[in-house]
Amino acid sequence: EAGVAQSPRYKIIEKRQSVAFWCNPISGHATLYWYQQILGQGPKLLIQFQNNGVVDDSQLPKDRFSAERLKGVDSTLKIQPAKLEDSAVYLCASSRRGSARVNSPLHFGNGTRLTVT
Amino acid sequence: DAKTTQPPSMDCAEGRAANLPCNHSTISGNEYVYWYRQIHSQGPQYIIHGLKNNETNEMASLIITEDRKSSTLILPHATLRDTAVYYCIALNAGNNRKLIWGLGTSLAVNP
Repeated sequence: EAGVAQSPRYKIIEKRQSVAFWCNPISGHATLYWYQQILGQGPKLLIQFQNNGVVDDSQLPKDRFSAERLKGVDSTLKIQPAKLEDSAVYLCASSRRGSARVNSPLHFGNGTRLTVT
Repeated sequence: DAKTTQPPSMDCAEGRAANLPCNHSTISGNEYVYWYRQIHSQGPQYIIHGLKNNETNEMASLIITEDRKSSTLILPHATLRDTAVYYCIALNAGNNRKLIWGLGTSLAVNP
């Protein structure tokens, strides 16, 4: 099966600019996740979708970050305006079943590396 | 969810077994132990998970102690491509499960 696709692979912007990331999950996967990974740290969950509904966005900085998953397939994550501390790798993951299903490992894309200058 | 503790780094010779320990002394009865790894510049990759019994798949073996307070991930014949950061995560099987990622163990497989 094809893996999780993300684009762009790299992005460099200046602070206060906006940026958007795109994710196409594995076909048939109901759950989609966006993670932020700062250099040297483990991934941190930003938002989790079940189909096109939000399950968990408790760690999403909603004053500047937004995400949507139209039609329950592709998803976009936007940052507006960006800050220096947003420099990180943004990872998208998907899983076959919902959050209650333990035996549904996450499949990750290779991420978008964002540098804010 | 239980916190896990892993050594920050380990070395292993190519072709030898790599044994990566994880301490999860506060794990509860319904928390699974999951292992992922992350090769440089790639997203994390699922390896294996278990609850009480030892598990084996094509990638690795997972040994969980009887009291479930610790576990060991075993890569039986490590190759250079196994060089990565390995994350051990305790995951609640309840409805609001969320993977809490620590800093992991950076494994270097040397030729």
